[in-house]
Amino acid sequence: GAVVSQHPSRVICKSGTSVKIECRSLDFQATTMFWYRQFPKQSLMLMATSNEGSKATYEQGVEKDKFLINHASLTLSTLTVTSAHPEDSSFYICSAPTRDRAGANVLTFGAGSRLTVL
Amino acid sequence: AQTVTQSQPEMSVQEAETVTLSCTYDTSESDYYLFWYKQPPSRQMILVIRQEAYKQQNATENRFSVNFQKAAKSFSLKISDSQLGDAAMYFCAARNSGNTPLVFGKGTRLSVIA
Repeated sequence: GAVVSQHPSRVICKSGTSVKIECRSLDFQATTMFWYRQFPKQSLMLMATSNEGSKATYEQGVEKDKFLINHASLTLSTLTVTSAHPEDSSFYICSAPTRDRAGANVLTFGAGSRLTVL
Repeated sequence: AQTVTQSQPEMSVQEAETVTLSCTYDTSESDYYLFWYKQPPSRQMILVIRQEAYKQQNATENRFSVNFQKAAKSFSLKISDSQLGDAAMYFCAARNSGNTPLVFGKGTRLSVIA
């Protein structure tokens, strides 16, 4: 089935630095990628939607200058957390629309990236 | 906008027994889809079961089945013959048709007691 490869799985960085998270669709073309954020013991909250060849669409309350999303190709979407602060520490997950074995339109998730900002 | 509500933060079940996780949703769309996802400690999101809103028949996947009550906007998950590996966070989610994101409920943490 479809696979979304997300890297890194864990990253620790110092305050003020930037961190890039990559999501690649391995055997399909992802024209759209959804980026979610999950705080400990909480649900997944949609941050933004990236579309290949156009600007990302951000959800209300998400700082687009802090969370830079780029959809450089049909197989790669990236999230860059700029000037990271401890409150940006979270679990970030990407997902792309795909088809399951029955042909239904579903979302396939990456394995997630745990960001810790010191 | 869609909203998804899970009113059970935690549930527990004895191994081999049956448990039902509740979910209600709200949407103004006529064409939408409902899902249950499992998130184990690894935090990988795993699709458990899905239901198309236009289908009256409840979806089933082996030990997992749903009770879809469209008029009541209810979408509960039944896990039969519970196994230790079923212990995880379970998220109910809804999605409109097309390239749209999932909207998640707050989740239910399921414990399975040996």
